[in-house]
Amino acid sequence: GESVGLHLPTLSVQEGDNSIINCAYSNSASDYFIWYKQESGKGPQFIIDIRSNMDKRQGQRVTVLLNKTVKHLSLQIAATQPGDSAVYFCAESRDKVIFGPGTSLSVIP
Amino acid sequence: DAGVIQSPRHEVTEMGQEVTLRCKPISGHDYLFWYRQTMMRGLELLIYFNNNVPIDDSGMPEDRFSAKMPNASFSTLKIQPSEPRDSAVYFCASSLRLGGGYTFGSGTRLTVV
Repeated sequence: GESVGLHLPTLSVQEGDNSIINCAYSNSASDYFIWYKQESGKGPQFIIDIRSNMDKRQGQRVTVLLNKTVKHLSLQIAATQPGDSAVYFCAESRDKVIFGPGTSLSVIP
Repeated sequence: DAGVIQSPRHEVTEMGQEVTLRCKPISGHDYLFWYRQTMMRGLELLIYFNNNVPIDDSGMPEDRFSAKMPNASFSTLKIQPSEPRDSAVYFCASSLRLGGGYTFGSGTRLTVV
């Protein structure tokens, strides 16, 4: 599946390093935020989420940070692995889920 | 559960032909969504259903597009007549709630020539 666009921001990271993917969201009324990972030929897959009453949430090797003041969301991936190579989408929700444009992460072995 | 199942995986059709994309949501999920993904526009929500009823079709681009959900386990997205600019990957997703927790299918890659 072609989810990578010509105009997608691209992040290249050395294997083992930490990755930080950033996202600006648009609706100050959004109260729920999600990060999805999309590998080639597949649909988006849920990674981690956070509600607006929190500013940080941790999962396995992933952390999401939320800054409501500047409407900014970030996804941190610890010890990045080749299997992390994919397009990452942030999404915001007040009712429906609206997806951002995505960032392509490339892990260099 | 087998997840959200879409068919076909790939569809190549000639301009002017009718195209029907199919989706089987996860059993028990009350919401079903149809998204379109292109390089230029990213992931766009076309329409969503709640308990088989279309709730918001504001993302459907034109009257050439229609979607139905005759029962809780099946939905179709139809394009008639198809045009080259409809070429995209179409995803179906289902969820227990509107605001998140979406599970996506593997998508249908549509090419209209």
